[in-house]
Parts: sequence; C-alpha cells; structure tokens
Amino acid sequence: GQQLNQSPQSMFIQEGEDVSMNCTSSSIFNTWLWYKQDPGEGPVLLIALYKAGELTSNGRLTAQFGITRKDSFLNISASIPSDVGIYFCAGFSGNTGKLIFGQGTTLQVKP
Amino acid sequence: NAGVTQTPKFQVLKTGQSMTLQCAQDMNHEYMSWYRQDPGMGLRLIHYSVGAGITDQGEVPNGYNVSRSTTEDFPLRLLSAAPSQTSVYFCASSRSYNEQFFGPGTRLTVL
Repeated sequence: GQQLNQSPQSMFIQEGEDVSMNCTSSSIFNTWLWYKQDPGEGPVLLIALYKAGELTSNGRLTAQFGITRKDSFLNISASIPSDVGIYFCAGFSGNTGKLIFGQGTTLQVKP
Repeated sequence: NAGVTQTPKFQVLKTGQSMTLQCAQDMNHEYMSWYRQDPGMGLRLIHYSVGAGITDQGEVPNGYNVSRSTTEDFPLRLLSAAPSQTSVYFCASSRSYNEQFFGPGTRLTVL
C-alpha cells in the first residue's frame, strides 16, 4: 500500500533555532497536510497544500508541496518551547480517496 | 460548536469483551473516519464513511465494525477485543476528504 516516509523521527533543539522536517512517498498525492499533536490530544491541522510547487506560511511555519507531488517539507523558524509535540505529514490520494499519515517527527525544544 | 467529541476517554477491557467507541460531530461534515495510533507508526486508517449509510474499509479494518446511520455519529465497534487492539483511537471529520478535524482520542487497553 501507499507509505509516507517522514524524517527525522525526532529532534532535540535549542529555543530560537530553525527546524526542518520532510516527507517523501513513492506515490503521487493531490494534497499534502501538516498536523501537530500535543501530548494527550488529537492532531491539529497546521497547513494544507493543494498544488505542486505551492509554498504556504502560517506564522512561523512554512510548508511546500514538492514539484514531483511525491514530497513535502515543513519549516519552523525561531522555535519556542510551545512548539514541542509530534508533527505529522499526511498525503491525500484522489485514486484511493484516503489520507495516509507519516510516522511523525517528535520535536523537543530546550529553553 | 463542540467539534468532534469522543467517549470514553479511557477504557480497559478484558480479552474477548466487546465495546463501542462513540464519535459525534456537530459541523455537518459528510466525511468521518477512525484511526488508531501506535508508537512509531503514525495514524492508520481503520474505517471511513463518506456520508450516512456509506462506509468503507481503511488500512487496518480487521476486528472492527462501523455503521453510519446519521451524519453526526460514527461509532466504532470492537467485536472481540484482543491485546493487539491496545491503542489510542481517534475519530476525525471533514467537509471533504482531506482537511480532517480530530477528536481528543480514546485510550484503550486490552488485558
């Protein structure tokens, strides 16, 4: 079946540093989504991308839909302690009608 | 709006017991889905529904049943619980297939 490879698995950074994570797939997706999950909560949608090459920002977060439609990345600038959590990428395929999630990137920020 | 609500928040079952996880949404979303989250494996789709009366299998449907008699509710039934079903279960809903809003989750332990 379709799979997403998300990297890195975990990151431990200093407050103020920039963060980059990405997702790759062997399949083409119509939509890429980025979610954040706080401990004990459900995932919350951060950014949605709908077109190849699209670059979208949400505050300190920037995400891009890869030109090949098989990858996406998320950047967080000037990290702060509340950025701590698990970040998931998700790809939607019009062929299957299903949303597939990456394994997640656990982010820890040291004040 | 309450968004997506799930009950119970926590549940402990013995092997072989059955139970129903409840999910409700008040956003008039057509699309609802159930995921399970296990460490290091992201979120995996169990079952989904594109509207009342219509359900389909996801990635890991075995051992689970669903039905969708109303737009608002999408319960997940465990027919005969097994330790392998110990997980965190999330319900999600969306207007279309992709931008899904998640509930707070049900943490299930099967002994």
